[in-house]
Amino acid sequence: AQKVTQAQTEISVVEKEDVTLDCVYETRDTTYYLFWYKQPPSGELVFLIRRNSFDEQNEISGRYSWNFQKSTSSFNFTITASQVVDSAVYFCALSERGAETSGARLTFGEGTQLTVNP
Amino acid sequence: KAGVTQTPRYLIKTRGQQVTLSCSPISGHRSVSWYQQTPGQGLQFLFEYFSETQRNKGNFPGRFSGRQFSNSRSEMNVSTLELGDSALYLCASSLEYGEGDTEAFFGQGTRLTVV
Repeated sequence: AQKVTQAQTEISVVEKEDVTLDCVYETRDTTYYLFWYKQPPSGELVFLIRRNSFDEQNEISGRYSWNFQKSTSSFNFTITASQVVDSAVYFCALSERGAETSGARLTFGEGTQLTVNP
Repeated sequence: KAGVTQTPRYLIKTRGQQVTLSCSPISGHRSVSWYQQTPGQGLQFLFEYFSETQRNKGNFPGRFSGRQFSNSRSEMNVSTLELGDSALYLCASSLEYGEGDTEAFFGQGTRLTVV
């Protein structure tokens, strides 16, 4: 069975600090996909990034970057120069490829509440 | 382009009643999935529909059901409501029934309170 763990329940930083959100996953599949979603107080989950298991290249997109390491089953997400508007709950999610699953079946972590103070 | 629309946004129901929630996916998206979010259990997959057929089901009792119409709109129904069904119910739409990498777009959810 697949599992996603976000050990950090809450993180509080001051604006302009960099912050890294940790995510560890478990899966028996060799092909899988990892996601980060953001949930602001309004409730909807906002897609941030996606990575597949074949691509360990880490990238930077604006203030966001991620570090995918298959050897440690981790998919960490970093926000550089945080802003107050980044305050939200962040979820890491995993999707497996297989006959019975689709891209919309996501296993989520518990979420990390990020608060960015001015 | 309109996003995923869920109605109603808020609902209060009495234990034992039933409830129907509605989800309109993004235009052109054919896959709709539902999730339940509670403080204790987090985000849990309920089911997914594609081409009016349930393709995938999470570990929920039979009181939770759904359907999808020919225009891809979806409804989920919960019968014999229990206090523990109080949750935020999120709907997500995807372009196709994919192979794991399909991006899912979420609605704002329906907040159900059972009293």
